[in-house]
Amino acid sequence: DADVTQTPRNRITKTGKRIMLECSQTKGHDRMYWYRQDPGLGLRLIYYSFDVKDINKGEISDGYSVSRQAQAKFSLSLESAIPNQTALYFCATSDFNGSEQYFGPGTRLTVT
Amino acid sequence: GENVEQHPSTLSVQEGDSAVIKCTYSDSASNYFPWYKQELGKGPQLIIDIRSNVGEKKDQRIAVTLNKTAKHFSLHITETQPEDSAVYFCAANYNNNDMRFGAGTRLTVKP
Repeated sequence: DADVTQTPRNRITKTGKRIMLECSQTKGHDRMYWYRQDPGLGLRLIYYSFDVKDINKGEISDGYSVSRQAQAKFSLSLESAIPNQTALYFCATSDFNGSEQYFGPGTRLTVT
Repeated sequence: GENVEQHPSTLSVQEGDSAVIKCTYSDSASNYFPWYKQELGKGPQLIIDIRSNVGEKKDQRIAVTLNKTAKHFSLHITETQPEDSAVYFCAANYNNNDMRFGAGTRLTVKP
């Protein structure tokens, strides 16, 4: 089984809808991250969490919120989706040393 | 905040040739520089990393060099193979608090 899983893998939604992307990990890592990938822009950090009680904004947090429900679960919400949030979203984890990040398979989100 | 620039955006080489991808960073406090490989339909995967206390690191056909004075680092792949074809990302940060990635390089290795 994959160490980092993301659900759903693909999602099409309409402008104004609320949507949640979920991430689960079995690696036992404390640190979890949400990234957005756009063509030609690489990966940009949205939010990161060092433990259940520690949530931090990344480079592009506007329009997004997160919840760290447990050590193994970190969800990303778009309260009111807009078309420019159409992108590939990745969850990642790392241990307390914060070196290698392990990425999930990604969620392709389309907002129409 | 940190800003990472990566060149070239696309690179095509013949099988067996070498490939070099270069990145520059802006924050002199950055001390960790990983390289990730992303294959089609998958998440990025770490292939090599270097910390600011060393200038070069090698792992079989892959090497990374770091010039802290000039604030640039490079990925070198020797004896390229078709399975090396992928998108490669560099990144930089301080103690992994807020990783900043380059825009990516699409490497194509022609048989």
